[in-house]
Amino acid sequence: DAGVIQSPRHEVTEMGQEVTLRCKPISGHNSLFWYRQTMMRGLELLIYFNNNVPIDDSGMPEDRFSAKMPNASFSTLKIQPSEPRDSAVYFCASSLLAGGTGELFFGEGSRLTVL
Amino acid sequence: QKEVEQDPGPLSVPEGAIVSLNCTYSNSAFQYFMWYRQYSRKGPELLMYTYSSGNKEDGRFTAQVDKSSKYISLFIRDSQPSDSATYLCAMRRYGGSQGNLIFGKGTKLSVKP
Repeated sequence: DAGVIQSPRHEVTEMGQEVTLRCKPISGHNSLFWYRQTMMRGLELLIYFNNNVPIDDSGMPEDRFSAKMPNASFSTLKIQPSEPRDSAVYFCASSLLAGGTGELFFGEGSRLTVL
Repeated sequence: QKEVEQDPGPLSVPEGAIVSLNCTYSNSAFQYFMWYRQYSRKGPELLMYTYSSGNKEDGRFTAQVDKSSKYISLFIRDSQPSDSATYLCAMRRYGGSQGNLIFGKGTKLSVKP
């Protein structure tokens, strides 16, 4: 079975450019999460969706960040304009909303470098 | 004080050693406790899950929760080079959703053959 699929795996861009990260959650999962991981701050939740609806975006650092989930099988995280301090690994994760342990299934991440 | 504290390591042990990884937390409302394992350049994956206090064992891995001390541990017996990874603790309160999951920063473990 396919896991969470993220693209691109690596992105190098220059300050001021727009960056779009993409995520395909596991089929049947109805919760989707965007995390950012850095050495300094660890794993931070940016935003999460339940049934395609954004529930909590309080972790989004500023207005330069936006996320959408137009359908159950696709989500994007956009940074416009990008800045060097946005350099990090961005993870998408999905899970079932109810039942079980609520285990998060993570993708392999998108490593972003902003020069 | 951060909600979840975890020593970042790195921790280096010889193969076969017993490893102890720990997290402390400040929020007494936390009831669900998890350990995720993250290999280099991969996403985290759930390793152990515990509800409330007590111990849980799975093969070479044992998770312990001491709510009175606000302290959780992961023990790895007979450690193997394949256990080399970063281990992240995570926790949330009863009734909270997965979106309320709080992660530690992770402890990097290296098991030398």
